Amino acid sequence: EVQLLESGGGLVQPGASLRLSCAASEFSFSSYAMTWVRQAPGKGLEWVSGISGSGADTYYADSVKGRFTISRDNSKKTLYLQMNSLRAEDTAVYYCAKDPGYCSSTRCSDWGYYMDVWGKGTTVSVSS
Amino acid sequence: QSALTQPASVSGSPGQSITISCTGTSSDVGGYSFVSWYQQHPGKAPKLMIYEVSNRPSGVSSRFSASKSGNTASLTISGLQSEDEADYYCSSYTSSSTLEVFGTGTKVTVL
Repeated sequence: EVQLLESGGGLVQPGASLRLSCAASEFSFSSYAMTWVRQAPGKGLEWVSGISGSGADTYYADSVKGRFTISRDNSKKTLYLQMNSLRAEDTAVYYCAKDPGYCSSTRCSDWGYYMDVWGKGTTVSVSS
Repeated sequence: QSALTQPASVSGSPGQSITISCTGTSSDVGGYSFVSWYQQHPGKAPKLMIYEVSNRPSGVSSRFSASKSGNTASLTISGLQSEDEADYYCSSYTSSSTLEVFGTGTKVTVL
């Protein structure tokens, strides 16, 4: 069964750093773009960051740009989110998710711009 | 990049049909066929229900259907059942630098 398992969440003070990990199993990890999505307590989903299968292309929400870094180690089948200068508003459940990609009759892309497999999430709390 | 606009809540009786709207701009919903819909039950991870505007993944009930007109996408749930009570989110590719954007979310209540 295709699975994603997040880890690394916890309680930290404002200004601190944290690195989240997402371990993938039962699919060809390097062939797919991956995404981080977060959900603050009682709030909606927020797209945070995405990375192509090779890791060459990365994208960020304006709210985290310059503070968060997405990366991946395809040999370890693991996705990461390095979070620096954490703020109270970063408090959320963080989900990693797989993008299945898109193929037309003429080309294929890493990006299907949707998420077909989700992890269960890891909780990040930023508070003094 | 602002979130796509969804109604906060929609309700219906068992067996009825309901429709959830998702309004964006020509830079996201209106400009591309990369609209998806997710269902989320309390305390659970989101589940993909619709991709590429109107396609259902394997295993998703045919009671769920979706479409798009202009800058607004819509999700329709037919034959409403108690297990459909959940939060629903739309999402779209966006030509802004952020790549993807979610809707504000809609709470579906089965009366």
